[in-house]
Amino acid sequence: EDQVTQSPEALRLQEGESSSLNCSYTVSGLRGLFWYRQDPGKGPEFLFTLYSAGEEKEKERLKATLTKKESFLHITAPKPEDSATYLCAPHTGGFKTIFGAGTRLFVKA
Amino acid sequence: EAGVAQSPRYKIIEKRQSVAFWCNPISGHATLYWYQQILGQGPKLLIQFQNNGVVDDSQLPKDRFSAERLKGVDSTLKIQPAKLEDSAVYLCASSFTQGRYEQYFGPGTRLTVT
Repeated sequence: EDQVTQSPEALRLQEGESSSLNCSYTVSGLRGLFWYRQDPGKGPEFLFTLYSAGEEKEKERLKATLTKKESFLHITAPKPEDSATYLCAPHTGGFKTIFGAGTRLFVKA
Repeated sequence: EAGVAQSPRYKIIEKRQSVAFWCNPISGHATLYWYQQILGQGPKLLIQFQNNGVVDDSQLPKDRFSAERLKGVDSTLKIQPAKLEDSAVYLCASSFTQGRYEQYFGPGTRLTVT
């Protein structure tokens, strides 16, 4: 059975304090892995797609990496505006996208 | 480029009543998805369309939920009759069919069943 686990459930950081979010997955036939950002009261906003192990993508203070069983979202020197829920979503060989429960990030000024 | 449109944004109904949600995807996106997101959880796929056809509805409670996508563009999701546990945000998303599979989401409809 396809499974996605994100950790931690919540993360509180001071502004400028770098950290990483984890996404562990067990899926059949990974075709890609998506990262989304979701603000309260809004739909998820697409950030990155990673297609193969070893691939990295960057956007401003965010960098996503992918291994065969995990993906990490590294946040460098975060700002309060980075506070949001970050969702990872493997896309499988059966053309299904499975969302994790997300990590809620709080960045305090 | 216009994003995914959804309406209404909020809806409050009593249990056993019916409700319908509307979605207009991004122009050119052949694949349309309806998700249910309960507070504190990730989106859960209810139904996926490719053009007019249903690709996956394995998690749609078919005794009370129905969805259609006429002419391969707009879509409507209906709940009849609603239960308390249907209180959630209903998200619509769309994507290309080939090459790039990332989904683009609308703002969602927050449903409260009392």
